Amino acid sequence: TQLLEQSPQFLSIQEGENLTVYCNSSSVFSSLQWYRQEPGEGPVLLVTVVTGGEVKKLKRLTFQFGDARKDSSLHITAAQPGDTGLYLCAAPGYSTLTFGKGTMLLVSP
Amino acid sequence: KAGVTQTPRYLIKTRGQQVTLSCSPISGHRSVSWYQQTPGQGLQFLFEYFSETQRNKGNFPGRFSGRQFSNSRSEMNVSTLELGDSALYLCASSFLAGQKAEAFFGQGTRLTVV
Repeated sequence: TQLLEQSPQFLSIQEGENLTVYCNSSSVFSSLQWYRQEPGEGPVLLVTVVTGGEVKKLKRLTFQFGDARKDSSLHITAAQPGDTGLYLCAAPGYSTLTFGKGTMLLVSP
Repeated sequence: KAGVTQTPRYLIKTRGQQVTLSCSPISGHRSVSWYQQTPGQGLQFLFEYFSETQRNKGNFPGRFSGRQFSNSRSEMNVSTLELGDSALYLCASSFLAGQKAEAFFGQGTRLTVV
């Protein structure tokens, strides 16, 4: 079973601060995905990383896939209240997604 | 185009009852997956259907079942409800299967068992 450990579990910061959340495993993945889930909504895919060492940017969000393809990180620059939500990493299988338990981010004005 | 639609949004049931949840995928998507989300366990995979065939099943008891119709709409059923079945049930659809497929999630059905 592929186990994805996310840290921290909860993060509360002020608007304008930077932060990094992590997704770690002992397994090697061919790809990893990051989702954001807002209260009352389903998860929305942010990015898929495929190549070891890959870095992808989505506005103020920077995603990195570890060289060994066992871990990934999400860095947010100058966080805004609209970034509030549950950030989930997931490992795609043939017809399934295995999720980490997520990092709950709260950005206060 | 319309997103994934799940009905109902909220449901309250009594222990021992059964419940049926519905999911209409994005038009053209043939793969439908179901997930259970709880605060303690996070998102856990229930099952996946493609062209009316269940291709994969998670580690849940037989009380959890599902099906997919020829128009790709899917239903999941939970029989003999237990308090621990209280959760957000999410449906996701995708056009392709595989590791680069993008899953689109519905808003979920919040089931409360009392």
